[in-house]
Amino acid sequence: GENVEQHPSTLSVQEGDSAVIKCTYSDSASNYFPWYKQELGKRPQLIIDIRSNVGEKKDQRIAVTLNKTAKHFSLHITETQPEDSAVYFCAASTGDMRFGAGTRLTVKP
Amino acid sequence: NAGVTQTPKFQVLKTGQSMTLQCAQDMNHEYMSWYRQDPGMGLRLIHYSVGAGITDQGEVPNGYNVSRSTTEDFPLRLLSAAPSQTSVYFCASSAGGVGNQPQHFGDGTRLSIL
Repeated sequence: GENVEQHPSTLSVQEGDSAVIKCTYSDSASNYFPWYKQELGKRPQLIIDIRSNVGEKKDQRIAVTLNKTAKHFSLHITETQPEDSAVYFCAASTGDMRFGAGTRLTVKP
Repeated sequence: NAGVTQTPKFQVLKTGQSMTLQCAQDMNHEYMSWYRQDPGMGLRLIHYSVGAGITDQGEVPNGYNVSRSTTEDFPLRLLSAAPSQTSVYFCASSAGGVGNQPQHFGDGTRLSIL
């Protein structure tokens, strides 16, 4: 089955800096790559996603890039704010979704 | 729309007991799934369903059963609870008959096995 690895496990940045989280996947048949944000004690919520026929997607301060050849994709958050502090999960799907282990992002004011 | 509703929110069981975690969605989604979330391990897929009457195993199915008699409901059964099943359980649903669409999660069930 699909295996998704996510790095780093923890990330601390100053407010206003950028944050980058990277994921790799093993199954070249994966065609859907979402990113979820989970605040403490809450449900995961989709923040952005990308499909295999697209290389990059942006939504305000958040962007995702996909390199199918290398089988990796990344989440970029610019101008970070304290409310961006949360755990972020990447996932890859061939039809059933597999998640990375998560990155705990802390944005220091 | 209520979205995805999970009950109960919290549960404490003794080793060997059985129970059913309920999940219902009102979005007419074909695809439903169950995940468990443990510290440092992300979300691991237990079972999923691509439509009523169809279920399949995910990464960590042992000790769990599911059924999908209606589009709306996808209960998860613990047959004989073990301390290793202490976790937070999330149910999710998505449109279409496969899991490559945005997943909508419930609020989770926090389960402790003593």
